[in-house]
Amino acid sequence: GQQVMQIPQYQHVQEGEDFTTYCNSSTTLSNIQWYKQRPGGHPVFLIQLVKSGEVKKQKRLTFQFGEAKKNSSLHITATQTTDVGTYFCAVTDSWGKFQFGAGTQVVVTP
Amino acid sequence: GAGVSQTPSNKVTEKGKYVELRCDPISGHTALYWYRQSLGQGPEFLIYFQGTGAADDSGLPNDRFFAVRPEGSVSTLKIQRTERGDSAVYLCASSLTGGLARGGTQYFGPGTRLLVL
Repeated sequence: GQQVMQIPQYQHVQEGEDFTTYCNSSTTLSNIQWYKQRPGGHPVFLIQLVKSGEVKKQKRLTFQFGEAKKNSSLHITATQTTDVGTYFCAVTDSWGKFQFGAGTQVVVTP
Repeated sequence: GAGVSQTPSNKVTEKGKYVELRCDPISGHTALYWYRQSLGQGPEFLIYFQGTGAADDSGLPNDRFFAVRPEGSVSTLKIQRTERGDSAVYLCASSLTGGLARGGTQYFGPGTRLLVL
């Protein structure tokens, strides 16, 4: 079956630094979504990527969909304490199967 | 309402009991999804409704789990003969249009935290 891996599982970041988290699939994807879940909260939709090689930006967040549509990355610049939370990718494969990754938990040190 | 609401926010029950969890989606959203989330894990898909019908129930773990959406709005997730392993946060989400394959934006509710003793 479809395997979705998010790397790293945990990310400690100094405030002001940049970091990148990755989402890798074993199968070709139809689309990928990214969600953020604050501690004690519920997932909140961030972005959806559909096209091969697509890049979208939201302020300090840059999302990229790989050329082969099997992986995606989320890059955050100048990390702030408000970036704390768990970032999930949610993928849909070519057969319509939908699955969340296990998430990257981000901790920001002031 | 302004967002997806779920009741109760917390539910403690004993092993073997029956529980019902309610989800009230955003008005006008035709698609409704149920997930469960264990600590440190991503949401695990359970079932997806398009209108009144269950379009995809492939995520329901066994026949103790059942969900309905009789009028195409509010949905109830029903768990029979609860087991300790059912303890988790049960999340509901809705989207304006349907189809997980279409990748519609899902708006999540706050969840129901279920604890089976």
